[in-house]
Amino acid sequence: RKEVEQDPGPFNVPEGATVAFNCTYSNSASQSFFWYRQDCRKEPKLLMSVYSSGNEDGRFTAQLNRASQYISLLIRDSKLSDSATYLCAVNGGSAGNTPLVFGKGTRLSVIA
Amino acid sequence: DGGITQSPKYLFRKEGQNVTLSCEQNLNHDAMYWYRQDPGQGLRLIYYSQIVNDFQKGDIAEGYSVSREKKESFPLTVTSAQKNPTAFYLCASSPRNRESNEQFFGPGTRLTVL
Repeated sequence: RKEVEQDPGPFNVPEGATVAFNCTYSNSASQSFFWYRQDCRKEPKLLMSVYSSGNEDGRFTAQLNRASQYISLLIRDSKLSDSATYLCAVNGGSAGNTPLVFGKGTRLSVIA
Repeated sequence: DGGITQSPKYLFRKEGQNVTLSCEQNLNHDAMYWYRQDPGQGLRLIYYSQIVNDFQKGDIAEGYSVSREKKESFPLTVTSAQKNPTAFYLCASSPRNRESNEQFFGPGTRLTVL
């Protein structure tokens, strides 16, 4: 199985800061890309899908760079409630319904 | 109230005992998955099923078994052959979509083997 790697973190940032996470993937055939948020001792929850043209959801922006095989997540105006572990996920093959491969996650702490 | 349920939330077992973790979904999803997460680690795929009565091994299937007799249910059995069974077990499901397979997770079961 191909790997997915993320910035190790932790990222400790003040409220209001902008923070960016990167995630690289090794399988060039991957077609689906996602960011998940996981709170301590909870299940991962889908934050956003990542589309080829990039996409934005409020303070969150996700981008895909197929040539360099990485995806990124940008969080603007960080809130205390953004503190969590962020997992990137990439499907493990060219078919859309192959299982996702997850990175180990990047921990974010937003400090008042 | 649609979603994925896992039970129990916490489970304690003695070493050498088999234990079955429940996963049920009412989202009408075709595909279901089992992952294991250890502290500070990512999610590792144990087994997955893309259709009823069919399932495939993931990366760490040894010591585990599954069944998929109904679309809604995908129970995982942790057998005594699993060397380090203590972990957080997460079940997920996704629609069987050729373009994308967003996975949605249940709340997880924390298994502790004493």
